[in-house]
Amino acid sequence: ETGVTQTPRHLVMGMTNKKSLKCEQHLGHNAMYWYKQSAKKPLELMFVYNFKEQTENNSVPSRFSPECPNSSHLFLHLHTLQPEDSALYLCASGLAGGRVGEETQYFGPGTRLLVL
Amino acid sequence: TQLLEQSPQFLSIQEGENLTVYCNSSSVFSSLQWYRQEPGEGPVLLVTVVTGGEVKKLKRLTFQFGDARKDSSLHITAAQPGDTGLYLCAGYAAGNMLTFGGGTRLMVKP
Repeated sequence: ETGVTQTPRHLVMGMTNKKSLKCEQHLGHNAMYWYKQSAKKPLELMFVYNFKEQTENNSVPSRFSPECPNSSHLFLHLHTLQPEDSALYLCASGLAGGRVGEETQYFGPGTRLLVL
Repeated sequence: TQLLEQSPQFLSIQEGENLTVYCNSSSVFSSLQWYRQEPGEGPVLLVTVVTGGEVKKLKRLTFQFGDARKDSSLHITAAQPGDTGLYLCAGYAAGNMLTFGGGTRLMVKP
């Protein structure tokens, strides 16, 4: 049990659907992250929230929209996705503000997304 | 071009063998981390190395950070089937964002 949960664990959606991924952390962390893990690329950072403020948007297409209503919850809203968006979407949390380069990120189990 | 190159990408060995996985870059990192990811799960942190030349041991796993803080290695002694998984290195460079390597997929056969 890592303390970071993600729902749903699996999702199949059509290109015209709207869906949301949910992440919740119970570790008292102040930073949350969305990553994309696909078969042929390294783990890619998508979005970063520090203290509920979005501090990083790593050139992610607008069909992905994050939301962080509080420090424990993070959402990724999906709209008109493409088949190439099929991947494992991982949420992570950590304690920002400590020594640079020593933050530990705790990952959830991911949502396996398939876009048809 | 990947900032962090891991090699090999795939490794299949017999139980009891030793192995080394490499993580190389032309960039300097303030720290490097190693994660292991099992199927259906997210990555789990194994170790963080911070000082150039640092060596850390975790049971049968030995992690080393290069003197110039551009590379790292993971050595496993007497591998066991439970070591099977995807090993990821990740480094903190500018901006305090974590950058991941492509991973080494290890399979240890009984």
